[in-house]
Amino acid sequence: DQQVKQNSPSLSVQEGRISILNCDYTNSMFDYFLWYKKYPAEGPTFLISISSIKDKNEDGRFTVFLNKSAKHLSLHIVPSQPGDSAVYFCAARNQAGTALIFGKGTTLSVSS
Amino acid sequence: NAGVMQNPRHLVRRRGQEARLRCSPMKGHSHVYWYRQLPEEGLKFMVYLQKENIIDESGMPKERFSAEFPKEGPSILRIQQVVRGDSAAYFCASSPTSGGNDEQYFGPGTRLTVT
Repeated sequence: DQQVKQNSPSLSVQEGRISILNCDYTNSMFDYFLWYKKYPAEGPTFLISISSIKDKNEDGRFTVFLNKSAKHLSLHIVPSQPGDSAVYFCAARNQAGTALIFGKGTTLSVSS
Repeated sequence: NAGVMQNPRHLVRRRGQEARLRCSPMKGHSHVYWYRQLPEEGLKFMVYLQKENIIDESGMPKERFSAEFPKEGPSILRIQQVVRGDSAAYFCASSPTSGGNDEQYFGPGTRLTVT
């Protein structure tokens, strides 16, 4: 039973355009969400996070939007660059604050 | 400022052998987490430890798996009598505090192959 879902296994975008990665969750008690980026044979790297008291958080080219009523968050990358090509994982912190619950990831390919 | 270190990076074991995976957290971090990633899957939480204490092991299989984070030295994830289904990438993460809004910093992972 997946509590964090990334329904798009892959996304292809042209360089300079916007990349939008989506994530849905089932537990309305989740209050903190994170996005990680992962290259092959490396560990995940933290990108950006958002608390449930906010609906938007921005860091450079990366913006995360949270829609609590829809239990949905999205990561926007503008403009997309070829170096952004990686697997992106959405994660939610569990209620006890002891673990992250990850989605299965979305593979982003940015072509030049 | 060294990141999270894991060794070995690759480990091959035959069925029935033991696997020991090591994790040294970032300097100043006292919280360690272990995750497992099966092929085509996301990371799955296994266990959360502080120095000398297991705080949450709800994701750890009940048999053959154990973890420790001693007062001195790295955290160890131990898998006894490995089976083919244990083949996966095992990631360790650390954070300076728990709960709160501290992100977890991940190591490069240990890729375990059971033959």
